[in-house]
Amino acid sequence: DTGVSQDPRHKITKRGQNVTFRCDPISEHNRLYWYRQTLGQGPEFLTYFQNEAQLEKSRLLSDRFSAERPKGSFSTLEIQRTEQGDSAMYLCASSSPAGEITDTQYFGPGTRLTVL
Amino acid sequence: AQKITQTQPGMFVQEKEAVTLDCTYDTSDQSYGLFWYKQPSSGEMIFLIYQGSYDEQNATEGRYSLNFQKARKSANLVISASQLGDSAMYFCAMREVYTGGFKTIFGAGTRLFVKA
Repeated sequence: DTGVSQDPRHKITKRGQNVTFRCDPISEHNRLYWYRQTLGQGPEFLTYFQNEAQLEKSRLLSDRFSAERPKGSFSTLEIQRTEQGDSAMYLCASSSPAGEITDTQYFGPGTRLTVL
Repeated sequence: AQKITQTQPGMFVQEKEAVTLDCTYDTSDQSYGLFWYKQPSSGEMIFLIYQGSYDEQNATEGRYSLNFQKARKSANLVISASQLGDSAMYFCAMREVYTGGFKTIFGAGTRLFVKA
């Protein structure tokens, strides 16, 4: 029984470069979430998929950010033209079908992005 | 206004003693869910415990219990018999309805230090 996995665990890039992160959810989970966490803060919601459909995007998700979940399994988060303000931990979570309020999300280890 | 407030940036507890981590929340909904997560230095968010707004009993999971006081809008986490491995960040979160769907909002966290 494997949990949520994310790759890479760490990414250092130069400002202006594009980066892509991958998330593999728990296999039977049909919901997948992306969050961003900066130092000293809790996770902030970015976007949410149910199967392959992207149902919700935060206003935090600027035009430079795009997320996909093409086959309803793994997901990718791409950041184009990275800025120093994008430096953060990017967390992925998944959950199984449940009531909307009781939706318990299980998180991956995160990808720590540093933009120089 | 903050939706989730964790007023203790840091807490110290002696090993084997109990500790309470505070969480207050703000919502006008009747139906909502409350969660606690643990985040060790490795970065992964670990689900600890869930309390539904309609649950009459306080939730318990092993050494974790949630002291739910609905009228006061508080959902404090109680850790009994603290262990050195409990040293971590702890986040309180609330899932509620908003325009367009549901969302999970996290507090800023409390860092717990367990002393030997």
